[in-house]
Amino acid sequence: DIQMTQSPSSLSASVGDRVTITCRASQSISSYLNWYQQKPGKAPKLLIYAASSLQSGVPSRFSGSGSGTDFTLTISSLQPEDFATYYCQQSYSTPSITFGQGTRLEIK
Amino acid sequence: QLQLQESGPGLVKPSETLSLTCTVSGGSISSSSYYWGWIRQPPGKGLEWIGSIYYSGSTYYNPSLKSRVTISVDTSKNQFSLKLSSVTAADTAVYYCARHPDWGQGTLVTVSS
Repeated sequence: DIQMTQSPSSLSASVGDRVTITCRASQSISSYLNWYQQKPGKAPKLLIYAASSLQSGVPSRFSGSGSGTDFTLTISSLQPEDFATYYCQQSYSTPSITFGQGTRLEIK
Repeated sequence: QLQLQESGPGLVKPSETLSLTCTVSGGSISSSSYYWGWIRQPPGKGLEWIGSIYYSGSTYYNPSLKSRVTISVDTSKNQFSLKLSSVTAADTAVYYCARHPDWGQGTLVTVSS
């Protein structure tokens, strides 16, 4: 199985901050990496697919980069609605997908 | 736009079988080359892939759950289903059905006597 490790597990930041979340795969997954945002009581929402492609309707302040084993999600200027939990997910071994443990982004 | 909706009992007794159905609207479950999957999330914890069924009917399961999981499809009803046997309190979770990138809203299943 491909293991996904996110860091940090939690993060405190302020509105307007630039935030970066990292995700590392236990083996190379090329660019088969998705990022999701989840708010309490809601299903995860796809933000970024194929490591760096912005899902339709997602604000451009979200961006993704990386390939192989190391990936990042960047939010260029935090907005109040961005405080949520973020998950990376590998789709290299689709349909056997795995998720990172999540990064909880909280208001400082 | 594709919509998915989970349904089934919200309470299941230990050792019994959890059964959920995902009803798909806005698209045919058998018309395209997609995987239809189940994912769960225990309260306050992360996401775990349970298994998937391909539009052709082939199934794929998480090895950690494989002995207890069955996923099936009913193309006449545009639904796919999950059965998880011999449940324990550790199976308490919100269960989601999904077809990338769309997810259902999720349904909480509690395992308790």
